[in-house]
Amino acid sequence: KAGVTQTPRYLIKTRGQQVTLSCSPISGHRSVSWYQQTPGQGLQFLFEYFSETQRNKGNFPGRFSGRQFSNSRSEMNVSTLELGDSALYLCASSLEPREGLEQYFGPGTRLTVT
Amino acid sequence: AQSVAQPEDQVNVAEGNPLTVKCTYSVSGNPYLFWYVQYPNRGLQFLLKYITGDNLVKGSYGFEAEFNKSQTSFHLKKPSALVSDSALYFCAVRPLGNYGQNFVFGPGTRLSVLP
Repeated sequence: KAGVTQTPRYLIKTRGQQVTLSCSPISGHRSVSWYQQTPGQGLQFLFEYFSETQRNKGNFPGRFSGRQFSNSRSEMNVSTLELGDSALYLCASSLEPREGLEQYFGPGTRLTVT
Repeated sequence: AQSVAQPEDQVNVAEGNPLTVKCTYSVSGNPYLFWYVQYPNRGLQFLLKYITGDNLVKGSYGFEAEFNKSQTSFHLKKPSALVSDSALYFCAVRPLGNYGQNFVFGPGTRLSVLP
């Protein structure tokens, strides 16, 4: 069974631009979460989607948004990029958002904002 | 608010020796506890989890973890370390009983296994 895939793997953008990252979960998984990983802040939760609905949202500004499609694939968008948005963005999937279920992570998208 | 602490930024151990990576947590209520490992330029890989039952949980690659409710700890252990175990290890918690709660990750501990 294929793992979580994320595209693109690497991205360089300029301050003020916007970016869209894509995530395809493991087949059969319907819950998708997004995380931002930086050396200073560690892993921070962005949002979680299940059945095309945002179930939970972390403490990030409104510039960060996401959505989930009927096939469970998810995208996240960051508008008006800032230098501090440079990070590894990780997507994780699980069968459903039940507390005891582990999440499976993709390799991440490395975003660099210049 | 829930939080996870990993008191050591770095753990060094010689190959063949036992290793321990420490984790303590603070949550309201009972938690589900997880360990993940991250290799360079890779996402996180699930190692093991504690849900209920036996306090000693066995996981992938020979790792195990011991849940201690009174000390609110969930330390990761391996009897004999390998050089290939060198990586970044994350402890995570997800509170029980609240469907809307997300995972909270610790800051990570870098494990270096020296040959």
